[in-house]
Amino acid sequence: DAKTTQPTSMDCAEGRAANLPCNHSTISGNEYVYWYRQIHSQGPQYIIHGLKNNETNEMASLIITEDRKSSTLILPHATLRDTAVYYCIVRVPLGGNQFYFGTGTSLTVIP
Amino acid sequence: GAGVSQSPRYKVAKRGQDVALRCDPISGHVSLFWYQQALGQGPEFLTYFQNEAQLDKSGLPSDRFFAERPEGSVSTLKIQRTQQEDSAVYLCASSMAVGPIYGYTFGSGTRLTVV
Repeated sequence: DAKTTQPTSMDCAEGRAANLPCNHSTISGNEYVYWYRQIHSQGPQYIIHGLKNNETNEMASLIITEDRKSSTLILPHATLRDTAVYYCIVRVPLGGNQFYFGTGTSLTVIP
Repeated sequence: GAGVSQSPRYKVAKRGQDVALRCDPISGHVSLFWYQQALGQGPEFLTYFQNEAQLDKSGLPSDRFFAERPEGSVSTLKIQRTQQEDSAVYLCASSMAVGPIYGYTFGSGTRLTVV
C-alpha cells in the first residue's frame, strides 16, 4: 500500500531543472524517503534517499520539508536520458522491509 | 558481474506450463528481493531473502509461486501451472547489506507472457 502521492505525469524542457513533488503526509519518524527511477525496459535505479536533511549527490538533490510531510526531487539540468518514471517511496530501513512503489511520476524531457 | 543478471530476458509460456526465472545477484550481496510488475504499474513485492533464508514471502500471490536461494547467492522464482494473469515483468533486486545506506540494485527483469 503506497504511502505517497505523486503527480501522474510531468514535462520538462531539456537543460532546465526538473522538480518532482511527492506528498507523504503519514510518514513516521523512522521512515526514510527514497527516490528511484525506471527507464523503459529497465529495472528501477536508485537515485537518492534522506531522513530529514536535504541531500545531494551526483544525480539529484532531495529537499524534504521541515514537517517531513512532503519532498521534492530536483534534477538540476534535465537531459533526454532523464525521461523515465520516478518513484517516491517511504520505508523503514530494516532489512526485510520492501519498497512500495506506487505508480510514480512519468517525466518526459522535451528537446 | 557488475550488476544483477536475470535470465531469460523474455519468456513465452503456454497456459498451464511451469516456468523458472533465474536471478544472479551482485556477488556478496546479502539481501535479495523479487518483484512483479504488471504493465503500466509500479513493481509489487513478492518475496525477500537474507542469504539463504526466505524471511518474507507475503507477496507471493498464490501457492503456484515458489522462490528459493539455496546457497545464498543465485535465486530462482518458479511459477507452476501458469495463468494469463501471471503475465508481467519479474524483477530481482539485491543489496550488500541491510539499512538505509545501501540502495538496492535491480536487474532488467524477465518479461513473462502467458498465452
